[in-house]
Amino acid sequence: DGGITQSPKYLFRKEGQNVTLSCEQNLNHDAMYWYRQDPGQGLRLIYYSQIVNDFQKGDIAEGYSVSREKKESFPLTVTSAQKNPTAFYLCASSFVGPYNEQFFGPGTRLTVL
Amino acid sequence: GENVEQHPSTLSVQEGDSAVIKCTYSDSASNYFPWYKQELGKRPQLIIDIRSNVGEKKDQRIAVTLNKTAKHFSLHITETQPEDSAVYFCAARGGNNAGNMLTFGGGTRLMVKP
Repeated sequence: DGGITQSPKYLFRKEGQNVTLSCEQNLNHDAMYWYRQDPGQGLRLIYYSQIVNDFQKGDIAEGYSVSREKKESFPLTVTSAQKNPTAFYLCASSFVGPYNEQFFGPGTRLTVL
Repeated sequence: GENVEQHPSTLSVQEGDSAVIKCTYSDSASNYFPWYKQELGKRPQLIIDIRSNVGEKKDQRIAVTLNKTAKHFSLHITETQPEDSAVYFCAARGGNNAGNMLTFGGGTRLMVKP
């Protein structure tokens, strides 16, 4: 299961704290994505980036922030402004192009105490 | 933007039977439709995909059909096995301004009973 990794696997946070989720890939992909998955629901796009130093908001970007300083890395910060942050977070990457498969990381389960 | 609806949300079949999951999309310019399988506690993995210029694609026991006029596509699994039990997600890539973004359906939990 190499290629795209996320850490940590489980994360606990107190209310009011910011927390950063790590996502790294060695697949030489230009595009990277963050999704949120809630129980019984689909994947909702938070942010995506198609090139270093550029990123775009997805459908549910409020309360989240990202950076893309390196091609291999796309960390996601869950800020205290996110009202309901407890969820499963999935990172993905792909080559740029219309038919390229998105490869997913193993996910980080965030729980706010 | 694109909107993808997926049905049913849960599906229970007997081992050996067929399973069909259906999705509809809203953006007529959508041109790529992948299906992902997510086993419990695991990451989603691509199992099959179809482009808008193709009506049907098969890979062993799984097949996907696309009806562009009606804006719907379906996943067909034949001769189901217990290891097919998982959550399946359909997705659609929107029109020219969508970049590589995929919009996912809500998922279908498939249970194959031995």
